[in-house]
Amino acid sequence: DTAVSQTPKYLVTQMGNDKSIKCEQNLGHDTMYWYKQDSKKFLKIMFSYNNKELIINETVPNRFSPKSPDKAHLNLHINSLELGDSAVYFCASSHRGVYGYTFGSGTRLTVV
Amino acid sequence: TQLLEQSPQFLSIQEGENLTVYCNSSSVFSSLQWYRQEPGEGPVLLVTVVTGGEVKKLKRLTFQFGDARKDSSLHITAAQTGDTGLYLCAGEPGGTSYGKLTFGQGTILTVHP
Repeated sequence: DTAVSQTPKYLVTQMGNDKSIKCEQNLGHDTMYWYKQDSKKFLKIMFSYNNKELIINETVPNRFSPKSPDKAHLNLHINSLELGDSAVYFCASSHRGVYGYTFGSGTRLTVV
Repeated sequence: TQLLEQSPQFLSIQEGENLTVYCNSSSVFSSLQWYRQEPGEGPVLLVTVVTGGEVKKLKRLTFQFGDARKDSSLHITAAQTGDTGLYLCAGEPGGTSYGKLTFGQGTILTVHP
């Protein structure tokens, strides 16, 4: 199946821990993104990579660090997790010049 | 910062009724995209409109892009229970801001049998 797949689906962790979320797309897209959806369902972009190069870096605490080993993968590492980081994180991909984005099914992060 | 005001936030209707969801901004977008999101899943692209005044139809769904490319609407005719879900509009600025989608707050649609 062609898709954007992210793991894990659910992540429950304690404050202060470090965690990673992985994302892979097999659509041949050249651009990948991380979005955060809050409890009110509002989606906001965090980062974007085009061919492994960081092109969008919104106002996100530097505890969040994206890494793109190749254009099919974009991982998100979060250090020193805080209660306010609890949200659903979505990975997405697109092809530059082509409108429309394909989203993964999300990772629900709960910090306790 | 570009903002997209989406309304209404909640919509509860009976099967067979018509409805319209609006997305408005003071900014111009190169494209306006509509997504539908089911619980526990990511948003799924329904349509993209790119030309001012453009109208696109997807079965019972009609999407319109305003002439000035600042607003859009989604109209559903004869709603069905399967239309229930979260509808999101998203604007793309274009140019050097490619990929920086601005989402509306979403419309939670519930269609009752």
